[in-house]
Amino acid sequence: NAGVTQTPKFQVLKTGQSMTLQCAQDMNHNSMYWYRQDPGMGLRLIYYSASEGTTDKGEVPNGYNVSRLNKREFSLRLESAAPSQTSVYFCAGSGTVGSNQPQHFGDGTRLSIL
Amino acid sequence: LAKTTQPISMDSYEGQEVNITCSHNNIATNDYITWYQQFPSQGPRFIIQGYKTKVTNEVASLFIPADRKSSTLSLPRVSLSDTAVYYCLVGDVYNQGGKLIFGQGTELSVKP
Repeated sequence: NAGVTQTPKFQVLKTGQSMTLQCAQDMNHNSMYWYRQDPGMGLRLIYYSASEGTTDKGEVPNGYNVSRLNKREFSLRLESAAPSQTSVYFCAGSGTVGSNQPQHFGDGTRLSIL
Repeated sequence: LAKTTQPISMDSYEGQEVNITCSHNNIATNDYITWYQQFPSQGPRFIIQGYKTKVTNEVASLFIPADRKSSTLSLPRVSLSDTAVYYCLVGDVYNQGGKLIFGQGTELSVKP
């Protein structure tokens, strides 16, 4: 099915380990985003990429890095995982910044850090 | 980015119309109002978006008064499958794209 695909769906890490969350979309979105969602809370923007080759910080970027590998792929890296980064991570894509196309989300990566 | 306030939770019964109101007192001229729905273990899904007056699609209606300081999402004849969290977002979708603020949302529980 067309859409936004996130891998892996689940992951358990130890404190200090590194990890890259992958996101790929086949909807020809120009903009892509990474969010985290903690229990009982809304989504908080970590990083976004308005177009291929550009990335910008969102609301909670500390402890994360991103790479917009090409138009389809946008990865999120935790260099040294901390228990505070235990969360559900969502990737989304949308049309070009400058349009009002809504975001399409993946089904999330559930990350636990021990 | 405009801050939004919506009820934390609402209960309803199957077949009823549900109205969820969102307050956004500091909405800016270029801001649009967008609603998303999120089921457990899934990412949010776009429901409806509007700028003023009324917008209707196959899923919901969105009512926006003239001062635009609030908006109401209306779900006609809800079913059990409408149980979800509903988020109201306000922002300049044309110039800020995904830099929208997701608040806590409204957890809607539909009972038989």
